[in-house]
Amino acid sequence: DTGVSQNPRHKITKRGQNVTFRCDPISEHNRLYWYRQTLGQGPEFLTYFQNEAQLEKSRLLSDRFSAERPKGSFSTLEIQRTEQGDSAMYLCASSPTSEKLFFGSGTQLSVL
Amino acid sequence: DQQVKQNSPSLSVQEGRISILNCDYTNSMFDYFLWYKKYPAEGPTFLISISSIKDKNEDGRFTVFLNKSAKHLSLHIVPSQPGDSAVYFCAATRRGSQGNLIFGKGTKLSVKP
Repeated sequence: DTGVSQNPRHKITKRGQNVTFRCDPISEHNRLYWYRQTLGQGPEFLTYFQNEAQLEKSRLLSDRFSAERPKGSFSTLEIQRTEQGDSAMYLCASSPTSEKLFFGSGTQLSVL
Repeated sequence: DQQVKQNSPSLSVQEGRISILNCDYTNSMFDYFLWYKKYPAEGPTFLISISSIKDKNEDGRFTVFLNKSAKHLSLHIVPSQPGDSAVYFCAATRRGSQGNLIFGKGTKLSVKP
């Protein structure tokens, strides 16, 4: 399967802990995106990479959030000092262009 | 303030009939629109898109119509099949915005056999 891969699929953590998610995009795609989806809402844009450069960040991405894509391939999203409001589905997407995004299955985060 | 609105949280249709999902947008700068389908526990899957220079785009059973003056688009599925049961998201963007898609809240479609 050469789709977008995200790990882990589910993460349960206690408030205040740090968590890290990984995304492996489709190999020939140089654009990588992180979105967040909460219950009853559509996905919301968090950040965007072109190759290893992080080119855009949403105001939703607080200081506790950091994303990296060190070699222009896989990406990680870290949330420090998690809060209950961080509970959501975190979606990664990749794209060869800037319009049509291919999404992974997401990481469901539950903060207790 | 929601820039992309899907005012119907749910829609139920009979198998074989037409499903019409609606979407409204407020930002006149949007020039590219997409529909995604999402099954539970999976990520959104691209379905069909349309550029603002067109008013219709068709792909098999799926047709998207764009009315720029009304800032309205719709997705028609005909004939509807039980496997089409999913949440459908409308998304909009401005070309050159680097892929910052603005999504609606989704419409849950149920196709009954």
